[in-house]
Amino acid sequence: DTEVTQTPKHLVMGMTNKKSLKCEQHMGHRAMYWYKQKAKKPPELMFVYSYEKLSINESVPSRFSPECPNSSLLNLHLHALQPEDSALYLCASSPGLAGANKPGELFFGEGSRLTVL
Amino acid sequence: QKEVEQDPGPLSVPEGAIVSLNCTYSNSAFQYFMWYRQYSRKGPELLMYTYSSGNKEDGRFTAQVDKSSKYISLFIRDSQPSDSATYLCAMSSVGAQKLVFGQGTRLTINP
Repeated sequence: DTEVTQTPKHLVMGMTNKKSLKCEQHMGHRAMYWYKQKAKKPPELMFVYSYEKLSINESVPSRFSPECPNSSLLNLHLHALQPEDSALYLCASSPGLAGANKPGELFFGEGSRLTVL
Repeated sequence: QKEVEQDPGPLSVPEGAIVSLNCTYSNSAFQYFMWYRQYSRKGPELLMYTYSSGNKEDGRFTAQVDKSSKYISLFIRDSQPSDSATYLCAMSSVGAQKLVFGQGTRLTINP
């Protein structure tokens, strides 16, 4: 099983709503990532969790709040978003620095397409 | 100057053609070089992985890394319409938790 599963696949929300994106992997990976991707642009790193601790926050606005409840799950809580936050949000995982056969390799989910009205 | 430069295209070629995709980079610390393929409305998937310099072949795909020139390439032989996708180069240095992506090249193979 080499899947990263993201839900929901599509989400439409207003600027005052609170919603969450969810990500799950069962590959035993110890690093998990949130990326944001706008149309015709490469993925842009938002957060990295390593061994369930936040290790990188790329100066993301506080209206995005990540959470890693356990080694298999990663959430992204959304609150008071702006229309410019509309994008494809990608979750990824990797074995972690200590366990990687191919350091740097990321396994991506299919993404959650977010539209903010 | 961006750390990784990749021509965004779009690139359109006839079926059966040989496709060459390229990236240049400026950070000499990069050691791991990857090509990801991303179909429309899907997440990226790893296509080729190379450590340090050299060539790697997998079926119709060949990845080349020239660290002296800071230049990486992906060749696709006998291209198929199913190869139509965006190809992202990505690289990282030892111990890094971040990948640095190129802009991605949109490729269309015409039947």
